[in-house]
Amino acid sequence: GAVVSQHPSWVICKSGTSVKIECRSLDFQATTMFWYRQFPKQSLMLMATSNEGSKATYEQGVEKDKFLINHASLTLSTLTVTSAHPEDSSFYICSARDRRGISGNTIYFGEGSWLTVV
Amino acid sequence: ELKVEQNPLFLSMQEGKNYTIYCNYSTTSDRLYWYRQDPGKSLESLFVLLSNGAVKQEGRLMASLDTKARLSTLHITAAVHDLSATYFCAVEWGSGTYKYIFGTGTRLKVLA
Repeated sequence: GAVVSQHPSWVICKSGTSVKIECRSLDFQATTMFWYRQFPKQSLMLMATSNEGSKATYEQGVEKDKFLINHASLTLSTLTVTSAHPEDSSFYICSARDRRGISGNTIYFGEGSWLTVV
Repeated sequence: ELKVEQNPLFLSMQEGKNYTIYCNYSTTSDRLYWYRQDPGKSLESLFVLLSNGAVKQEGRLMASLDTKARLSTLHITAAVHDLSATYFCAVEWGSGTYKYIFGTGTRLKVLA
C-alpha cells in the first residue's frame, strides 16, 4: 500500500525555538495533506489542510503564524512549530490523499512525530 | 460543524466476550473509516465504509454503516488480548476539499 513517512519520529527542543516536521508521500503524489495534533489519551484534532502550491487552510483556533505549513511539492509538506512552548508538546500526525485511490479520496497516515518542548 | 462521538469512551472486557462500539456523527456523510491506534503509534486502517448498509469483516472485527441514522458500529466477537488498543472512527466531510473528522476514540482493554 501507499506509504507516508514523517521525520523526525521524536524531537526534543528548547522552549522558544522552532522545529520542523516533514511529511512525505513516498510512492504517490498527494495534492492534499492534512496535519493533526493528538494530546495524550485524546483524539486526533485536525489542525490544517494543505494543498500543493497554495496556502494552507487552518481549522478554527489554530494559530497560523505559530504553525507554519508549507506544501511545496506533490510529495512533501512541512509543519514548523515556531517559538515552541511546553504546551505545544504533542503527537503530530500527517496524512496524505492519494489521488489514485477510491474516487481519489484514499488517505494514508504517517507514523507520527512526538514533539517535546522543554 | 461536524461532530463525531463514540460510545463508550473506555471499555474493559474479558476475553471471549462480544461487544459493540458506536460511532455517531452529526451531519450527512457517506464515508466512514475505522482505525486502530496502539500506544505511542500512529493509526492502522481497519475498515473503509463507503455507502449506506456497508458491512465489512476482518477477523474478530465487523464494521457497519447506516448513513440514514448517521451511525456506524464496530462489533468485536470473542475478544482476545491482542485487540487491546484505542479505536477511532473518522467521518469524511466537506465540500471541495474533503477532510477527516475523528471521533472521540474508544480505549479497549481486553483482560486475559
